Amino acid sequence: DGGITQSPKYLFRKEGQNVTLSCEQNLNHDAMYWYRQDPGQGLRLIYYSQIVNDFQKGDIAEGYSVSREKKESFPLTVTSAQKNPTAFYLCASSPGRAHQPQHFGDGTRLSIL
Amino acid sequence: AQKVTQAQTEISVVEKEDVTLDCVYETRDTTYYLFWYKQPPSGELVFLIRRNSFDEQNEISGRYSWNFQKSTSSFNFTITASQVVDSAVYFCALDNQGGKLIFGQGTELSVKP
Repeated sequence: DGGITQSPKYLFRKEGQNVTLSCEQNLNHDAMYWYRQDPGQGLRLIYYSQIVNDFQKGDIAEGYSVSREKKESFPLTVTSAQKNPTAFYLCASSPGRAHQPQHFGDGTRLSIL
Repeated sequence: AQKVTQAQTEISVVEKEDVTLDCVYETRDTTYYLFWYKQPPSGELVFLIRRNSFDEQNEISGRYSWNFQKSTSSFNFTITASQVVDSAVYFCALDNQGGKLIFGQGTELSVKP
């Protein structure tokens, strides 16, 4: 079945450590997105990519980095510069044509040790 | 500025009751799209509906219906004869920049048997 796979489901980070969240899609979608969700809040856009080897900052990009070397993969690195990384992270993809619905993965919950 | 407001943080109903989730949006653009997503306890967001700014027809899909009113900048969602499986967090979102979604804070719906 086609879909979006995020891994791991749960992740723990030590102080000063970088961690990478994986996102893979087999929907042949051009566009991919990373969102952060905090309790009782909506989703906020971290980074997005509309084509391979290109990506743009979203509303809360500080302390995060991404790469888009392959169409199906869009990993997110949470760096030590992100002082409050505890959150639920959701990856999404869409065909890339304007205003198409986004499809979401199951999310990764990141916590600080 | 673009903004989506879901004023109802939590709603609790008893099974078979009808329930309406409110969504109010702000945008200066004349062309935009509105979405509703459902987030069950498993975490992934499930796409429910997309509506463009030129189509004010109300839509019904089974027990779900949507009321779009440009005059009041609202896009409300009604569940008729609610069921326990409808329990989830529901998000309204605005897209007027070709894929960058602006989410409301979400409404947590609890349907009790």
